[in-house]
Amino acid sequence: DAMVIQNPRYQVTQFGKPVTLSCSQTLNHNVMYWYQQKSSQAPKLLFHYYDKDFNNEADTPDNFQSRRPNTSFCFLDIRSPGLGDAAMYLCATSRGGTDGYTFGSGTRLTVV
Amino acid sequence: GQQLNQSPQSMFIQEGEDVSMNCTSSSIFNTWLWYKQDPGEGPVLLIALYKAGELTSNGRLTAQFGITRKDSFLNISASIPSDVGIYFCAGPRGSGNTPLVFGKGTRLSVIA
Repeated sequence: DAMVIQNPRYQVTQFGKPVTLSCSQTLNHNVMYWYQQKSSQAPKLLFHYYDKDFNNEADTPDNFQSRRPNTSFCFLDIRSPGLGDAAMYLCATSRGGTDGYTFGSGTRLTVV
Repeated sequence: GQQLNQSPQSMFIQEGEDVSMNCTSSSIFNTWLWYKQDPGEGPVLLIALYKAGELTSNGRLTAQFGITRKDSFLNISASIPSDVGIYFCAGPRGSGNTPLVFGKGTRLSVIA
């Protein structure tokens, strides 16, 4: 089945230790998104790629970076995780326009 | 920026009851999307609405795109325990290829 896969499902990292979350898709969608979701809150957009074009949200901290080496893969790098970065990180894809998103199952990040 | 207001924030209902929740905005939206998020998972698209006045069903779920284009509601008939989760409304925050903005969600609990 075509899908969006996030790895790992659970990630524990130390305060200040760089961590990378990955997302892959078999849908061949143009657009890939990274959202941060804290407990009982709406998903908050960090950035998105339309094909290779990177679009950063104005309020996304510099601590968060992203790479999209090809259509299928997208990575979220957190350079120096703080306790406040503990959250669920959701990857989503779409064909663009008003097309609905397909979300992965998320990676729950714990910072210790 | 555009914001989506969902109500109620949470609701507890008996199994078998019908449920209604809504989403409003001070801005016009051209697309309304309803997602459900199970605990520990990514959101899943339930219904997409593309035209003012449109009424669309998906099994026991029915959603409508308000005539003013500033609101939408989601109804669930004859609720069952697996309806438990958080229901988010979402819409593109602009025209063209712009990301979705999400409401804060309605948390539904079903008492057997």
